[in-house]
Amino acid sequence: SQTIHQWPATLVQPVGSPLSLECTVEGTSNPNLYWYRQAAGRGLQLLFYSVGIGQISSEVPQNLSASRPQDRQFILSSKKLLLSDSGFYLCAWTSGRDEQFFGPGTRLTVL
Amino acid sequence: QKEVEQDPGPLSVPEGAIVSLNCTYSNSAFQYFMWYRQYSRKGPELLMYTYSSGNKEDGRFTAQVDKSSKYISLFIRDSQPSDSATYLCALYNQAGTALIFGKGTTLSVSS
Repeated sequence: SQTIHQWPATLVQPVGSPLSLECTVEGTSNPNLYWYRQAAGRGLQLLFYSVGIGQISSEVPQNLSASRPQDRQFILSSKKLLLSDSGFYLCAWTSGRDEQFFGPGTRLTVL
Repeated sequence: QKEVEQDPGPLSVPEGAIVSLNCTYSNSAFQYFMWYRQYSRKGPELLMYTYSSGNKEDGRFTAQVDKSSKYISLFIRDSQPSDSATYLCALYNQAGTALIFGKGTTLSVSS
């Protein structure tokens, strides 16, 4: 069966510090991978998606970036965090135009 | 008009009630419709998935799609306190590359 992991689960970072969140998927190959941010009262916002290694599409311009160094690994990064980057970050995968499965999320607080 | 609209609630019902959760969407090209349930501080989990007009039933849950009205619904029969969560509707974008989510409706079922 497929499993999706995210870490860390919780993170508190100062403004201006870098960020690296990691997502890995087990039990499938060549998944489509997604990063979402969920902020209070704003719903799920798609940040990036990837259909393969090194292929990243950005949905919202901002100070975040994503990379996919391996087939089942998706990384969300920032060089300098802003207060507005606080939120619940969710990684998701799908095998096509099909059900999308979410990881447990990372709760980021920028102070 | 936003692509997907969903009343955020909160919605409070007594145990055993029938719950109706709804979303409207703007683009008639949307074809794939999903409902997710999200407990507090957890990632969303897929409840129902359908791509055609009509009803789809799974236990106490029924998903209904009316493409002519661009209206989707989730009905919960015999609601339980364990159903207390945020319910998100989601549709694939026209390109079929990413899900567009409603903001979610928060449901509270009291015993």
